[in-house]
Amino acid sequence: KQEVTQIPAALSVPEGENLVLNCSFTDSAIYNLQWFRQDPGKGLTSLLLIQSSQREQTSGRLNASLDKSSGRSTLYIAASQPGDSATYLCAVKEGPGTYKYIFGTGTRLKVLA
Amino acid sequence: KAGVTQTPRYLIKTRGQQVTLSCSPISGHRSVSWYQQTPGQGLQFLFEYFSETQRNKGNFPGRFSGRQFSNSRSEMNVSTLELGDSALYLCASSLATGAEETQYFGPGTRLLVL
Repeated sequence: KQEVTQIPAALSVPEGENLVLNCSFTDSAIYNLQWFRQDPGKGLTSLLLIQSSQREQTSGRLNASLDKSSGRSTLYIAASQPGDSATYLCAVKEGPGTYKYIFGTGTRLKVLA
Repeated sequence: KAGVTQTPRYLIKTRGQQVTLSCSPISGHRSVSWYQQTPGQGLQFLFEYFSETQRNKGNFPGRFSGRQFSNSRSEMNVSTLELGDSALYLCASSLATGAEETQYFGPGTRLLVL
């Protein structure tokens, strides 16, 4: 049974710092992995999607990497801003033909001005 | 283009009652998935619909059911509500073409069971 874990559970950093959020999954046979952002009381916003054949994806100040063999993904946020404060979730999809995602436990990020 | 909409946004029910939540996907999206989010269990997959057919189901009791209509709108129903059903229920839609994998989430329906 696939399990997805994220560490740390919470993180507080001063504005401008570069930071790394970690995601690990127990079964390396994934189809793709997505990173999401969730603001308090709101739905999720997809940030980056990495296919199983890819090693990384970039969007602006965000860079996500994927190492399937070790069951790990990292989300790198450069030059953090207070607006980056949110909960970040990673989720894995195990096969095609379905949109069932298994979500991690989330990292609650606070960027201090 | 309008995003995923969910109604109602907030709901208060008492134990034993039933509830129906609605989700309207982004225009043209054929896949709708439902998730339950609680502080203790996080985000858990409920079910997924594609072209009016349930394609996948999570590990929830039979009190949780859903359906999808021909216009891709989806509803989920919870019967005989329990206190533990209090949660944020999220709906997500996707184009489901194979080339486009991104899921788009609605704002959720927050259900409180008293």
